Amino acid sequence: EPEVTQTPSHQVTQMGQEVILRCVPISNHLYFYWYRQILGQKVEFLVSFYNNEISEKSEIFDDQFSVERPDGSNFTLKIRSTKLEDSAMYFCASHRAYEQYFGPGTRLTVT
Amino acid sequence: QQQVKQSPQSLIVQKGGISIINCAYENTAFDYFPWYQQFPGKGPALLIAIRPDVSEKKEGRFTISFNKSAKQFSLHIMDSQPGDSATYFCAASNSGSARQLTFGSGTQLTVLP
Repeated sequence: EPEVTQTPSHQVTQMGQEVILRCVPISNHLYFYWYRQILGQKVEFLVSFYNNEISEKSEIFDDQFSVERPDGSNFTLKIRSTKLEDSAMYFCASHRAYEQYFGPGTRLTVT
Repeated sequence: QQQVKQSPQSLIVQKGGISIINCAYENTAFDYFPWYQQFPGKGPALLIAIRPDVSEKKEGRFTISFNKSAKQFSLHIMDSQPGDSATYFCAASNSGSARQLTFGSGTQLTVLP
């Protein structure tokens, strides 16, 4: 069964550093998303991406964040200058119709 | 208005019992209501979903009940098993937006053996 994959599974970085989180969505899906989940809290929407452009973004997704689909398979989230409060699980999701499928997540720890 | 309110925060059920988790929403534009199951350290896994043109959907031991007029929906887990112990999130989205999911706050379910 096709699945969303994410790398790395865990990323530790120092405050102020740039990080890139990578995702490979399910191959015939058209819509791509990034969500985050701070430990013990609910999943929060960050950004959606369709037809090679951002379609919606939340208040969390400020100028420090960017997304890119550099080729036909990868979907990346870049955080330019990480802050302590960016520490969270970051999930990529994709869908074709309604059902969104989530990847296993990247745990980002900012020290 | 974008919130989805979920209760209870935690639930303990005996093996074989029925687990019931409730969600309420405000935004009448929501037209898709999935439930996700999440184990520690894993991503949310789609469990079951419903659209507002039906009042109930059943898949195996999992049933969603939907009340459009009350703007509420619930997950029923019949014959609950210890392997069902996880965090359950309700969510909602609408076709007028980019279909991003708005999640509830989660319910930590523990099924005792």
